[in-house]
Amino acid sequence: AQSVTQLDSQVPVFEEAPVELRCNYSSSVSVYLFWYVQYPNQGLQLLLKYLSGSTLVKGINGFEAEFNKSQTSFHLRKPSVHISDTAEYFCAVSDIDSSYKLIFGSGTRLLVRP
Amino acid sequence: NAGVTQTPKFRVLKTGQSMTLLCAQDMNHEYMYWYRQDPGMGLRLIHYSVGEGTTAKGEVPDGYNVSRLKKQNFLLGLESAAPSQTSVYFCASTGGTEAFFGQGTRLTVV
Repeated sequence: AQSVTQLDSQVPVFEEAPVELRCNYSSSVSVYLFWYVQYPNQGLQLLLKYLSGSTLVKGINGFEAEFNKSQTSFHLRKPSVHISDTAEYFCAVSDIDSSYKLIFGSGTRLLVRP
Repeated sequence: NAGVTQTPKFRVLKTGQSMTLLCAQDMNHEYMYWYRQDPGMGLRLIHYSVGEGTTAKGEVPDGYNVSRLKKQNFLLGLESAAPSQTSVYFCASTGGTEAFFGQGTRLTVV
């Protein structure tokens, strides 16, 4: 069964600094990979997705992620964060063989400080 | 453009009471899911459906039942609520490549 690991439960960073949120998943033949963001007391919003093709995926709000098949990773990056990026970030994986069920990591709280 | 709509948004139940959460989607998606979100645990799959009239168990199905009588609706039932079911519940649907989520239902069982 698929599993997703987000190694960092919380990442504090200063405003305008770069950030990387790490995500690793268990191996599968073919997977779809996603990053979602959740602001306090709100639902999940899709940041970006990898379905196929280029391994560098660009998303909304200046975020990007790189799919690395050999390392089974899908790390999220942003070159310069803003206070408004403070939120919970979830990595998720799904594949056709599992009825497209999304398997989520436990989440990483990004805390941007002034 | 409603997307995925969950009702109710908030609910407080007493232990032993029952309730049904409704999820409705207007995107003609085949696949629908119910998740629960608890602090530090991400979202865990309760039940899911791959089409009208079908349901299947997810990771944490105990204490819940579901039905998908119509393609656009996916109902989650709690027959006898327990404090351990205090959580935020999210419904999602997908046509295969991207899942769309409802805004969540915050359920408290006292």
